[in-house]
Amino acid sequence: DAGVTQSPTHLIKTRGQQVTLRCSPKSGHDTVSWYQQALGQGPQFIFQYYEEEERQRGNFPDRFSGHQFPNYSSELNVNALLLGDSALYLCASSGTDSGNTIYFGEGSWLTVV
Amino acid sequence: KQEVTQIPAALSVPEGENLVLNCSFTDSAIYNLQWFRQDPGKGLTSLLLIQSSQREQTSGRLNASLDKSSGRSTLYIAASQPGDSATYLCAVIRTTVYNFNKFYFGSGTKLNVKP
Repeated sequence: DAGVTQSPTHLIKTRGQQVTLRCSPKSGHDTVSWYQQALGQGPQFIFQYYEEEERQRGNFPDRFSGHQFPNYSSELNVNALLLGDSALYLCASSGTDSGNTIYFGEGSWLTVV
Repeated sequence: KQEVTQIPAALSVPEGENLVLNCSFTDSAIYNLQWFRQDPGKGLTSLLLIQSSQREQTSGRLNASLDKSSGRSTLYIAASQPGDSATYLCAVIRTTVYNFNKFYFGSGTKLNVKP
């Protein structure tokens, strides 16, 4: 059983560009959350998707947007990239069978130059 | 606003030592508390989940305790091994609308266990 998978694992973008990160949740999970983890910090909640809708959102600007597909996979889009957007972006999935435990992917390392 | 603090930020110990990692939070109206491990450049691996009605959880050499009234949790690692070297993160979990569990993470304790 594959866990949470994310792609790409590493990428470099130029300031002002746009990026799309992808996440496939653990089998059977229907809820996907996205987190941003800056170097040396704990993850910060960006938003959560359930039933293809954004249900909760953290303190992130509108440049950060997302989408969830009918198969529960999800995308995180960031527009007009800033140097400060450089971070590890983590996807986490959960579902009714996991109780209160969430499962994290390995993350996508984004470097903005 | 929930603030989660982890002390120390870094810790280096010789192999075999027992050690304690600390996590404190400002709002005791939490749902659960969870400890994670993060290896360099990797995602998070769940170690222990403590329900708000519980006081501790154990898994192998790991024991986590929760004291909601004082806003503290500790992760105890017995007989540390070099393979325990990683960053340990605690997360306080609150339930919001839509029965959504929101995680508030500390900045982590970076542990190095020397052979």
